Amino acid sequence: DIQMTQSPSSLSAFVGDRITITCRSSQTIYTYLNWYQQKPGKAPKFLIYSASSLQSEVPSRFSASGSGTDFTLTISSLQPEDSATYYCQQSFRAPWTFGQGTKVEIK
Amino acid sequence: EVRLSDSGGGLVQPGGSLRLSCAASGFTFGTYGMTWVRQVPGKGLEWVSSISPTGSLTYYADSVKGRFTISRDNSNNTIQLQMDSLRAEDTALYYCVKDRGQLWHQFEYWGLGTLVTVSS
Repeated sequence: DIQMTQSPSSLSAFVGDRITITCRSSQTIYTYLNWYQQKPGKAPKFLIYSASSLQSEVPSRFSASGSGTDFTLTISSLQPEDSATYYCQQSFRAPWTFGQGTKVEIK
Repeated sequence: EVRLSDSGGGLVQPGGSLRLSCAASGFTFGTYGMTWVRQVPGKGLEWVSSISPTGSLTYYADSVKGRFTISRDNSNNTIQLQMDSLRAEDTALYYCVKDRGQLWHQFEYWGLGTLVTVSS
């Protein structure tokens, strides 16, 4: 199975800050990498697909990059509504695995 | 608007069975793959099972293979997850998920989830 490892597990930042979350896969997944946002008590929301493509209606302050085994999700100017847990997920090979999540809090 | 209404969860004893359903609307159902993803409350996400648009291809996580069966009815825009021989570790919130494509495993839209509790 392909293991997905996110770092950090949690972070706290101010409104307006630029933050970056890292996701690493245990083997190459090319650009078969997706990102989700989950707020407490809600279903996950699809943010990014194919490593860097923004899903429609996702704010442009979200961006992502990477290929191979190393990927990043960046929020350029953190907003209060971005407080959530973020998950990466590989769509390269079964079983389709998720990272353990990164909890983002607002200071 | 895409809508996924997952249902069928509940309390069941170990070894018991449960059948989850998901009613879909707002898209051409028969052209998209569908998936079940589960989440233990407070924990991470785990892919469970997927089915291709025609139902000809199905995939299962090793943890549920041989116990769970995914199916779909394209005439009624529904998918089901038959869960047999349930174990305590199957306790989770189960989400019905629409794929972004035929079966690209890009999980585009999610239902609200239905809670399965396996306990005596």
